[in-house]
Amino acid sequence: GIQVEQSPPDLILQEGANSTLRCNFSDSVNNLQWFHQNPWGQLINLFYIPSGTKQNGRLSATTVATERYSLLYISSSQTTDSGVYFCAVESGGGNKLTFGTGTQLKVEL
Amino acid sequence: DGGITQSPKYLFRKEGQNVTLSCEQNLNHDAMYWYRQDPGQGLRLIYYSQIVNDFQKGDIAEGYSVSREKKESFPLTVTSAQKNPTAFYLCASRGRGATDTQYFGPGTRLTVL
Repeated sequence: GIQVEQSPPDLILQEGANSTLRCNFSDSVNNLQWFHQNPWGQLINLFYIPSGTKQNGRLSATTVATERYSLLYISSSQTTDSGVYFCAVESGGGNKLTFGTGTQLKVEL
Repeated sequence: DGGITQSPKYLFRKEGQNVTLSCEQNLNHDAMYWYRQDPGQGLRLIYYSQIVNDFQKGDIAEGYSVSREKKESFPLTVTSAQKNPTAFYLCASRGRGATDTQYFGPGTRLTVL
């Protein structure tokens, strides 16, 4: 099946810093989503982005489908951005998502 | 409010007992999914259902069973055949549109003693 790799696995930032999270995938995809998992375990949709660029406040994402990667940008990070960021892709039929292992982000004061 | 509910939030069971996790949605979504998450890992698909009275195995279905008798409900049973059942279980649902996304419930933490 399709492989999804995320980097870095862990990231510590000072509040106000910017960061870039990367997601590489091994095959063509129908769908790509970025999620944020908060410390209580809830997954929150950030972006549906199979290709192109989207922005939502301090977050933006870019997917280059032909090169099989996606980037999530976090600007002016805040402590509430802490948690795990997952990339998930849908390939083939069935609308099934395959998740990467995530990037654990900690934003410190 | 529209959304996905999972109950209970925390569940403790003795080894060898079957346990059923509840997942309900009022989003009128056709598709529903069950995932398992182990510490420090991503989510892995257990079972999914795209329509009432039909479901398919995901990547790690062994030791689990599901039913889909109603559109709103997709309960997951963790059987005694599941060798390592202690985990965080997440339920999701998705609409029918091509660009629809999966929405997740708050999860159930199962601990088998």
